[in-house]
Amino acid sequence: DADVTQTPRNRITKTGKRIMLECSQTKGHDRMYWYRQDPGLGLQLIYYSFDVKDINKGEISDGYSVSRQAQAKFSLSLESAIPNQTALYFCATSDLPRPGQGSTGELFFGEGSRLTVL
Amino acid sequence: AQTVTQSQPEMSVQEAETVTLSCTYDTSESDYYLFWYKQPPSRQMILVIRQEAYKQQNATENRFSVNFQKAAKSFSLKISDSQLGDAAMYFCAYRRTGNNDMRFGAGTRLTVKP
Repeated sequence: DADVTQTPRNRITKTGKRIMLECSQTKGHDRMYWYRQDPGLGLQLIYYSFDVKDINKGEISDGYSVSRQAQAKFSLSLESAIPNQTALYFCATSDLPRPGQGSTGELFFGEGSRLTVL
Repeated sequence: AQTVTQSQPEMSVQEAETVTLSCTYDTSESDYYLFWYKQPPSRQMILVIRQEAYKQQNATENRFSVNFQKAAKSFSLKISDSQLGDAAMYFCAYRRTGNNDMRFGAGTRLTVKP
């Protein structure tokens, strides 16, 4: 089984609908992230969480919300989807970077959720 | 804010040849980490190589190596003996130490010609 699991893998919805993308992990990491990928723009950070009680906005949080239900679960919601939110969404986890201790804080990604808003 | 720039939207290489992908970044920090991720058509993000800024020695992972120039804020990826399976999008990424997020470049699409 994958260490970071995203559901659904693909979703088509209509403008104005509420959508939730879910992410669960078995890495035991405290840090979890949601990124959006658009062609030519790379990955942009939507929200991130460093523990269950810590939620932070990223570069492009408008129109999105998140919930950290447990250490292992971090969900992303689009309250009222619009067509320009059509994109590939990635959940990721990481450990804390520890200089000289072999931990560089690399991200471990899920397989992505492709969302299409019509 | 830290930014990561990949100036080559697309690159191509002949199978078995060597190719270098460019990345520059902007930061005022002295301690940080740099990464190259690969995204094949399967869309899975795969870590290729990483570099800790305090280490002067360039990181190497089999056919993949980096040229880390800290003063120039440059972090290029060299792929030797290119294989068809190397065809993918490659993303350069930057992360400060401590509790911070990771920032990505726009990516370079690498095509490998047989």
